[in-house]
Amino acid sequence: SQTIHQWPATLVQPVGSPLSLECTVEGTSNPNLYWYRQAAGRGLQLLFYSVGIGQISSEVPQNLSASRPQDRQFILSSKKLLLSDSGFYLCARAQTEVTGELFFGEGSRLTVL
Amino acid sequence: GIQVEQSPPDLILQEGANSTLRCNFSDSVNNLQWFHQNPWGQLINLFYIPSGTKQNGRLSATTVATERYSLLYISSSQTTDSGVYFCAVGYGGATNKLIFGTGTLLAVQP
Repeated sequence: SQTIHQWPATLVQPVGSPLSLECTVEGTSNPNLYWYRQAAGRGLQLLFYSVGIGQISSEVPQNLSASRPQDRQFILSSKKLLLSDSGFYLCARAQTEVTGELFFGEGSRLTVL
Repeated sequence: GIQVEQSPPDLILQEGANSTLRCNFSDSVNNLQWFHQNPWGQLINLFYIPSGTKQNGRLSATTVATERYSLLYISSSQTTDSGVYFCAVGYGGATNKLIFGTGTLLAVQP
């Protein structure tokens, strides 16, 4: 089965501190990977997507960056967190070999104080 | 860009009741998915349904791509059905990017 691991599950960080959220995928090779954010309320917004190692596309201007150092690893980072970076961050993969269906990890909940 | 609207925004049901959730989208899409977000925040895949009708137990979904809407039916609702239901449509071809609607918050009361 194809599994998505996100770490850490919860995080409380002060304003101005750095951030690193990790997403790893098992059971598939060369997947499309995505970072979404869900702020207070319900909407999910696409932040970044990657179609391969070192290939990152940003969907919205922001304080965050993403990297894909390995085929199955996707990292979301910030050098200095803002209050507005608080939210629920979800990593997803696409099942590109069969369909465009997306599957999501369990998420990382970030609170910036 | 593509707009995705869901209705109703909130819904309260008594256990055992049936409901229909609607998703309208503003342009042609190559993917449509329904998700259930549980109280812990996890997104559970319900249906991948760019067109046609599918059923899975008490849930079924229909997408009419030519008219740009999709419906999610929940029959004989249970308290465990509570949560937020999202419709998401795909764009961007092979990049499989999804745009989410704002969701329907469902509360099923015993």
